[in-house]
Amino acid sequence: SQTIHQWPATLVQPVGSPLSLECTVEGTSNPNLYWYRQAAGRGLQLLFYSVGIGQISSEVPQNLSASRPQDRQFILSSKKLLLSDSGFYLCAGGEIYEQYFGPGTRLTVT
Amino acid sequence: KQEVTQIPAALSVPEGENLVLNCSFTDSAIYNLQWFRQDPGKGLTSLLLIQSSQREQTSGRLNASLDKSSGRSTLYIAASQPGDSATYLCAVKSGGGADGLTFGKGTHLIIQP
Repeated sequence: SQTIHQWPATLVQPVGSPLSLECTVEGTSNPNLYWYRQAAGRGLQLLFYSVGIGQISSEVPQNLSASRPQDRQFILSSKKLLLSDSGFYLCAGGEIYEQYFGPGTRLTVT
Repeated sequence: KQEVTQIPAALSVPEGENLVLNCSFTDSAIYNLQWFRQDPGKGLTSLLLIQSSQREQTSGRLNASLDKSSGRSTLYIAASQPGDSATYLCAVKSGGGADGLTFGKGTHLIIQP
């Protein structure tokens, strides 16, 4: 199985500030990687996924972007945060049939 | 577009009871279905994964069933304990490639000691 590392665990940022959340994966090579967001009162929503270095697919239009500079590194970014970007962000690494989730980052935009 | 619904949204029962959590999905052409547990402020712990060709999976006091044709899954928890208190999430994988999971909003479960 894979181990997913995420940091930071908690983040409070003002509106308009930039964002960078990092996710790294242990225990496998060339994993599929995913970013999900859990907003208050809503279910987990898939934001981005990647099947390889530099390959990013976006599921929903939004203020965020993702990058995969290395095989086991996945980064979620924003140039200017909005209040609506607040939520719990989860990174996942997957094989064809199963996904493993990291501990999450709680982002509060003030 | 796949949609996943979980009923009930919240459930509170006394310790020791057997209980059933329900999950339904709109598109029966799924690859697999997974049940997760989420403790407050934490990530997801995978409980059970059922492939589309399977009818059920068991792990300890947990049993998950899948009826793909009717678009339903149930998670059965036997002899509930206070430590089972958490939010339980159902998620569907619709394709066999890199597709992500589609999640329900979860059932918030409280087991009263």
